[in-house]
Amino acid sequence: DARVTQTPRDKVTEMGQEVTMRCQPILGHNTVFWYRQTMMQGLELLAYFRNRAPLDDSGMPKDRFSAEMPDATLATLKIQPSEPRDSAVYFCASGLGGGPQHFGDGTRLSIL
Amino acid sequence: GESVGLHLPTLSVQEGDNSIINCAYSNSASDYFIWYKQESGKGPQFIIDIRSNMDKRQGQRVTVLLNKTVKHLSLQIAATQPGDSAVYFCAENTPSGYALNFGKGTSLLVTP
Repeated sequence: DARVTQTPRDKVTEMGQEVTMRCQPILGHNTVFWYRQTMMQGLELLAYFRNRAPLDDSGMPKDRFSAEMPDATLATLKIQPSEPRDSAVYFCASGLGGGPQHFGDGTRLSIL
Repeated sequence: GESVGLHLPTLSVQEGDNSIINCAYSNSASDYFIWYKQESGKGPQFIIDIRSNMDKRQGQRVTVLLNKTVKHLSLQIAATQPGDSAVYFCAENTPSGYALNFGKGTSLLVTP
C-alpha cells in the first residue's frame, strides 16, 4: 500500500531552535496538506499545496512558520524560532484534489 | 496547573453490536464528506466518503448516511470488533473543494 511518509517521528528540542518536518506524499498525488493536532484545538489545517504551488496558508502563524514543496516528492514545514505552544502532532496528508486525503503517522513535536 | 483538553464524546458498545456515530456539519454548500478513523499514535485513516448527490454509501461493514436537509452525517459500523476502537472524525470539504474541515471526533470504545 502506498503511504505518506513523515520524518522525524518524534522531535524534542528547546525553545528558540529551528524545527524542520518533512513529508513524502504518495506518488502521483498533486495536493499536499499540513495539519496540526492538539488536545485543545483538534485537527487544524495549516497550509496546502496543489501541483507544488501554495494555495492557502491562512491557518499558519506566518511570522515563524513556513511551508514549501521543493519538488513533487518532498514537502517541508519549518518553525523558526520554535515556542512551547508549538508542541503538537503535525500531520501531512496528500490526495488528488476533491477526493480523500491520505495521512502520514505524524511528527510528535515537543518544545521545552 | 491542570490542562484542559477537548472532551470527546464517547460511544461505548459491546463487541458484535452495531455502532452508529453521528456528525453535524456546518456548511450547506459542502458537497463532499468523509469519515476517518484514528488509532492512538497514528494518523487519521480514510474509511469511506460520500458526495452530496447520494444519501447512502456502503463499504465493508460500514455505511455512511447523508441527510442534507438537516446537515447530518452518520457512520454505521456493523458487528463492531475490538479493532474498531478508535476516534472517528467526520469532515466536509471547504469552498475551495480541496481542503477539509474536520469535526472534533467521537471516541468509540468496544468492550468484550
